[in-house]
Amino acid sequence: DAKTTQPPSMDCAEGRAANLPCNHSTISGNEYVYWYRQIHSQGPQYIIHGLKNNETNEMASLIITEDRKSSTLILPHATLRDTAVYYCIVRLPLNRNTGKLIFGQGTTLQVKP
Amino acid sequence: GAVVSQHPSRVICKSGTSVKIECRSLDFQATTMFWYRQFPKQSLMLMATSNEGSKATYEQGVEKDKFLINHASLTLSTLTVTSAHPEDSSFYICSATSSGTAREQYFGPGTRLTVT
Repeated sequence: DAKTTQPPSMDCAEGRAANLPCNHSTISGNEYVYWYRQIHSQGPQYIIHGLKNNETNEMASLIITEDRKSSTLILPHATLRDTAVYYCIVRLPLNRNTGKLIFGQGTTLQVKP
Repeated sequence: GAVVSQHPSRVICKSGTSVKIECRSLDFQATTMFWYRQFPKQSLMLMATSNEGSKATYEQGVEKDKFLINHASLTLSTLTVTSAHPEDSSFYICSATSSGTAREQYFGPGTRLTVT
């Protein structure tokens, strides 16, 4: 699976958009980009994923560059409860032998009042 | 999303004893389950992949005789830490995925193991 690079930490003001970048320059054609987050002492929570097109759901938006070498997770209106470690992961489609999620160090997002 | 539970949420055991941690998918059938370990201020480290009805596949450096994984049914996987030592104290997290169209991995809440 391709490796990702994320900034170790970011701050965001409450109510503003949080834009979390991720570089995955060695991503292959059939690897997806996944975002999870982990609030302190809890299991990771799925946020969103995409292959080529931009995606949006009730939690966030995912913007993937045309060359797929980087992406940005956007939390449109960050709240204090969004303070967490955000992980960007690329992986192959899941089947019995592939699709493992390999976690990097992630970005610690601190939302401030 | 789908719900994955873990039991117990916290456990304290004495050095040399064995501890079993259960991971259950509550509202879907999990053909594949994953076990992770997380030390303080570190990221999750994948320990093993468990497919229902077959032996678990362990990541490099993970002792399969120390961390016994059983995935006997489509809703339950267990991790047994045998002959636990203080260095095994960690946060153990499982995740599960189905074979249907919704192929996401859903994570359990984690189990905090402390070995004294």
